[in-house]
Amino acid sequence: QVQLVQSGAEVKDPGASVKISCEASGYTFTSYDINWVRQATGQGLEWVGWINPHSDNTGYAQKFQGRVIMTRNNSINTVYMELRRLRSEDTAVYYCARGPGYCTSTSCEYSGMDVWGQGTTVTVSS
Amino acid sequence: DIVMTQSPDSLAVSLGERATINCKSSQSVLNSSNNKNYLSWYQQKPGQSPKLLIYWASTRESGVPDRFRGSGSGTDFTLTIDSLQAEDVAVYYCQQYYSTPYTFGQGTKLEIK
Repeated sequence: QVQLVQSGAEVKDPGASVKISCEASGYTFTSYDINWVRQATGQGLEWVGWINPHSDNTGYAQKFQGRVIMTRNNSINTVYMELRRLRSEDTAVYYCARGPGYCTSTSCEYSGMDVWGQGTTVTVSS
Repeated sequence: DIVMTQSPDSLAVSLGERATINCKSSQSVLNSSNNKNYLSWYQQKPGQSPKLLIYWASTRESGVPDRFRGSGSGTDFTLTIDSLQAEDVAVYYCQQYYSTPYTFGQGTKLEIK
């Protein structure tokens, strides 16, 4: 079945970096964008950025520019999100999500984020 | 950035009654080239990942019960849950994917009265 499986929980010191993975299965990996969305405890959803595994194009929310890098390894159907210079406010559950972009060889469509990973808890604390 | 504003922040509805959640975007999310609104609705239950309910403002995702209805266009959208069931207790979010950053509403917490 179609699924995204994320790496396990992380505990980091302030100022450190964290790299989370998201492994896709059950579909053509390069046909869909992958987004990263985070959620602090008791708070709403916050979009971090996206990567297109086919083109390697990325886009990041302004507040994360310069601190976040999204990469992919198409040989193992995996995308990564690295967040640097961590601070306590980065403590959250980080989700990867497929979509909203879906592209064939001739066209692209945008229809919502239809598959989500299970979430990775990142705790930043000294 | 497009700001998404949901109302109300919380809502209590009796079982079997209708729940209505509103979402307003600070600018239109209607793609004029294909006449589709790039607006989706998600349901998030405690301890779970968000689940896509509706995309293109009114198209139900496969497997979503037909008591969930999305409507609206341009800047004003509504999620309606007809005949509320106990399993519908959750936080509901709207999101625009018209332009990056793909912003979410602040969420609406739905409870049983």
